[in-house]
Amino acid sequence: DTEVTQTPKHLVMGMTNKKSLKCEQHMGHRAMYWYKQKAKKPPELMFVYSYEKLSINESVPSRFSPECPNSSLLNLHLHALQPEDSALYLCASTLDRGAKEKLFFGSGTQLSVL
Amino acid sequence: AQSVTQPDIHITVSEGASLELRCNYSYGATPYLFWYVQSPGQGLQLLLKYFSGDTLVQGIKGFEAEFKRSQSSFNLRKPSVHWSDAAEYFCAVGIKAAGNKLTFGGGTRVLVKP
Repeated sequence: DTEVTQTPKHLVMGMTNKKSLKCEQHMGHRAMYWYKQKAKKPPELMFVYSYEKLSINESVPSRFSPECPNSSLLNLHLHALQPEDSALYLCASTLDRGAKEKLFFGSGTQLSVL
Repeated sequence: AQSVTQPDIHITVSEGASLELRCNYSYGATPYLFWYVQSPGQGLQLLLKYFSGDTLVQGIKGFEAEFKRSQSSFNLRKPSVHWSDAAEYFCAVGIKAAGNKLTFGGGTRVLVKP
């Protein structure tokens, strides 16, 4: 199994809603990532978990709250989002943390905030 | 801080023709270099990577890339393009000293004409 699975594939939410994005991998990877990608732009790193601990938060607003319940799962909790938060949210994983590591990406959740 | 530049935002190529995508990086030492491809609505997939050694590296889907230290470049090539190669291509650099974070270039969108 060399897949990173993200659910849902599409999500539409209002600015007062609370929703969660889910990411799962069963490759035994110990590092997991959240990226945000706006249209026609490269992915921007949001959070990195290493061995289930948050190791990087790229100054992301608190309306985004990551969670790593175990080594296979990564969640992103969303609350009180703004329309400018509409984007493709990508989850990725690597075997370990390191600059040489190959990122395995999920297909993403396309989020629209109304 | 390190930076990655992909000078070409769009490239249109005829099916069967050759393709070259440019990538330049700015960093004092040789970083770890990657090329990723993203099909519409999908996550990114690693095409190839360079860490050291032979400066010509082979990847998946018939792609290759050449590292040129003197030009701080890592250009991606394919001798004969297929319609399925239409996608967004991202060059990326990973630097251990920068917290092992990956920095992406702005991307090059490749369109393939029949």
